[in-house]
Amino acid sequence: QKEVEQNSGPLSVPEGAIASLNCTYSDRGSQSFFWYRQYSGKSPELIMSIYSNGDKEDGRFTAQLNKASQYVSLLIRDSQPSDSATYLCAVNNQAGTALIFGKGTTLSVSS
Amino acid sequence: GAVVSQHPSWVICKSGTSVKIECRSLDFQATTMFWYRQFPKKSLMLMATSNEGSKATYEQGVEKDKFLINHASLTLSTLTVTSAHPEDSSFYICSARDSTANEQFFGPGTRLTVL
Repeated sequence: QKEVEQNSGPLSVPEGAIASLNCTYSDRGSQSFFWYRQYSGKSPELIMSIYSNGDKEDGRFTAQLNKASQYVSLLIRDSQPSDSATYLCAVNNQAGTALIFGKGTTLSVSS
Repeated sequence: GAVVSQHPSWVICKSGTSVKIECRSLDFQATTMFWYRQFPKKSLMLMATSNEGSKATYEQGVEKDKFLINHASLTLSTLTVTSAHPEDSSFYICSARDSTANEQFFGPGTRLTVL
């Protein structure tokens, strides 16, 4: 069974710190990786996608992918209280027809 | 990112009635749409994958006769919860796959309460 694993948290960081969110996946054939942010009572919002090994930066967000280790992470620099949410890691299945989601990591940024 | 809408946002219905939820991709064509359900403080659960012009593929444990899915066009998929019961009360979220961008975008969700 294909799985995506995340630490459920909560992960608590002070305002201005770097938040590091981690995700591992089991399907070696996966090619596409995504991070979604979900605020309480709202639907998920796509914040990053990454397809190649290495880092991808977008503003305060950096996604890191290591296919050999089957590991993808999200770094949030200069964390703000508004970043407090649940972050979902998602991985395409090998056929590329569906996303498999992790259970999400809850991030709390304190001011 | 691309825009996906859902209608209605909220619905309250009596037990035994049927409820239809619409999901539209507003600025792209989606050959594939997905329906998820999320209970409070729980993770997203994929219910079914909807392909335009063909039958939906349901996840294990999801009753296809209870959750009817129609994907008649490249921009519209509907989910009908038939004979709804209180245990069907949940947050139903659709997403649409923009095949040109290889990304999946979520609608705002529909909160269903069955009395």
